[in-house]
Amino acid sequence: GAVVSQHPSWVICKSGTSVKIECRSLDFQATTMFWYRQFPKQSLMLMATSNEGSKATYEQGVEKDKFLINHASLTLSTLTVTSAHPEDSSFYICSAPDRAKVNTEAFFGQGTRLTVV
Amino acid sequence: AQSVSQHNHHVILSEAASLELGCNYSYGGTVNLFWYVQYPGQHLQLLLKYFSGDPLVKGIKGFEAEFIKSKFSFNLRKPSVQWSDTAEYFCAVNGQAGTALIFGKGTTLSVSS
Repeated sequence: GAVVSQHPSWVICKSGTSVKIECRSLDFQATTMFWYRQFPKQSLMLMATSNEGSKATYEQGVEKDKFLINHASLTLSTLTVTSAHPEDSSFYICSAPDRAKVNTEAFFGQGTRLTVV
Repeated sequence: AQSVSQHNHHVILSEAASLELGCNYSYGGTVNLFWYVQYPGQHLQLLLKYFSGDPLVKGIKGFEAEFIKSKFSFNLRKPSVQWSDTAEYFCAVNGQAGTALIFGKGTTLSVSS
């Protein structure tokens, strides 16, 4: 089956620094990738949709200058948390549908646990 | 507003008991429906999906779900749970294949052996 690889799986950073999370589709191409955030014991909330070759679309309330998204190729999207603060600590998950298939689900990465200290 | 509601926050069952987790959605137009499972420390795994056709959908690990359009529901069922089914279960919906999902808040299932 289709695989989405997310890296790193976990990261600890100091407050004020930036962290980059990568999301790769390993065996398919994705013109669109989705970034979600999951707080402990809560559901996944869509943060933004990254589009290959164009600007990302952010959900209401998500700061685009803080959560920088780049979708430079059909297999890679990156989320950079800039000037991270403890309240940014969370579980970030990406997903991507295979653009070559219709009526298919999006495939999820394993997630990145970010802890800002 | 588009939303997914999962009625049960935490369900505790003994092994071999039957399971039904409720999911209702509010979404205009055609919907695609999904159930995902998240085992402790692991990533989301698709249990089953409904796009069209037979409203009774069979998934992996013995799970099934029934889409009842008139009730806007997509409840998850399993006739006999196992200890290994202990996990978080999420119902999700989108209006078009390949678009972002709206998730319910999740249901924690704890199965005692």
